[in-house]
Amino acid sequence: DAGVTQSPTHLIKTRGQQVTLRCSPKSGHDTVSWYQQALGQGPQFIFQYYEEEERQRGNFPDRFSGHQFPNYSSELNVNALLLGDSALYLCASSFTGVHTDTQYFGPGTRLTVL
Amino acid sequence: AQSVTQLDSQVPVFEEAPVELRCNYSSSVSVYLFWYVQYPNQGLQLLLKYLSGSTLVESINGFEAEFNKSQTSFHLRKPSVHISDTAEYFCAVSRQGGKLIFGQGTELSVKP
Repeated sequence: DAGVTQSPTHLIKTRGQQVTLRCSPKSGHDTVSWYQQALGQGPQFIFQYYEEEERQRGNFPDRFSGHQFPNYSSELNVNALLLGDSALYLCASSFTGVHTDTQYFGPGTRLTVL
Repeated sequence: AQSVTQLDSQVPVFEEAPVELRCNYSSSVSVYLFWYVQYPNQGLQLLLKYLSGSTLVESINGFEAEFNKSQTSFHLRKPSVHISDTAEYFCAVSRQGGKLIFGQGTELSVKP
């Protein structure tokens, strides 16, 4: 049973560019959440997708957007990259249901903005 | 609003010694509680969780945590640590179906 997978593993971009990160959830999961983890910090919630719609959003600007596909996979897009966007981006999947929505994380994508 | 405080940023300990990593949370509603572990340059791995039922939860590798509602705590303990337990540990809280709110993390360093 494959766990959560993310691609790419590493990415280097320059300021002002745009980036797309991808996530495939664990088999049987229907919900995808994205987190940003800056160096030395705990992960911060960006947003969550369920049934192809954004269900919850954290305190991130509109430059951060996402999408969920019918097969439950998801993308995170960041426009007009800033140096401060450099971080580890983590995807987590879960199954929405009573007492079953534990989130499982992928290995992350390390984004470096120069 | 919910928040999580991990009281120690770094915990150095010798191999085979006991350890406790402290976590306090604030919330006005019922929450779910989690401990995740992060090894260098890796994602987060679920260590254990409290959703309901018994307040003492255990993981397969010897860690345990106890949910204390009156003290709003969810401290992580292990009676005897190994070198391989060296990692960053994150406490997190959520409401059903919602976002995880993480603490700042505790770096556990196990020395021989």
